[in-house]
Amino acid sequence: EAGVAQSPRYKIIEKRQSVAFWCNPISGHATLYWYQQILGQGPKLLIQFQNNGVVDDSQLPKDRFSAERLKGVDSTLKIQPAKLEDSAVYLCASSLDATPGYGYTFGSGTRLTVV
Amino acid sequence: TQLLEQSPQFLSIQEGENLTVYCNSSSVFSSLQWYRQEPGEGPVLLVTVVTGGEVKKLKRLTFQFGDARKDSSLHITAAQPGDTGLYLCAGDSGGTSYGKLTFGQGTILTVHP
Repeated sequence: EAGVAQSPRYKIIEKRQSVAFWCNPISGHATLYWYQQILGQGPKLLIQFQNNGVVDDSQLPKDRFSAERLKGVDSTLKIQPAKLEDSAVYLCASSLDATPGYGYTFGSGTRLTVV
Repeated sequence: TQLLEQSPQFLSIQEGENLTVYCNSSSVFSSLQWYRQEPGEGPVLLVTVVTGGEVKKLKRLTFQFGDARKDSSLHITAAQPGDTGLYLCAGDSGGTSYGKLTFGQGTILTVHP
């Protein structure tokens, strides 16, 4: 089966600019996650979708970050305006179900550098 | 906030040696997963453990979930250069956080030929 697709792979922007990332999960996977991974750290959950509804966005900096999954399939994550500390890899993952035992399948990520 | 502490943070060994990576928490998890991540790629799931005391083997890798479901270990026998990477443990606390994984900070393993 096709994996989780993410684009772009790399992005360099100046602080205060906007940026958007796209994710297409594995077909049929109801649960979609966006994680932020800062260099040298483990991934940190930003937002979890179940179909097109938000399950958990408690760690999403809502003053600058937004995400949507309008048709319950692909998703976009936006940052506006970007700060230097947003430099990280943004990982999208999907899972068939949120039940324990269903592991995540991660995309290759988007590496964002804010200068 | 539930935390997962991994140790060691860095591990540099010679090919053929054995190693163990630990993942500890003060919280109980309904399941725990181990992932391996290579540079420029997303984490890849290695195993999921669900039952306290559970032991799973994947070729030269042995995973154990603590009896109290608060800790886990990953043991690699006769490490090979291809085992090099970032190893991450991640716990699912269940309940209202169903499906939400908390990741440890990772262990960077380097196996020298």
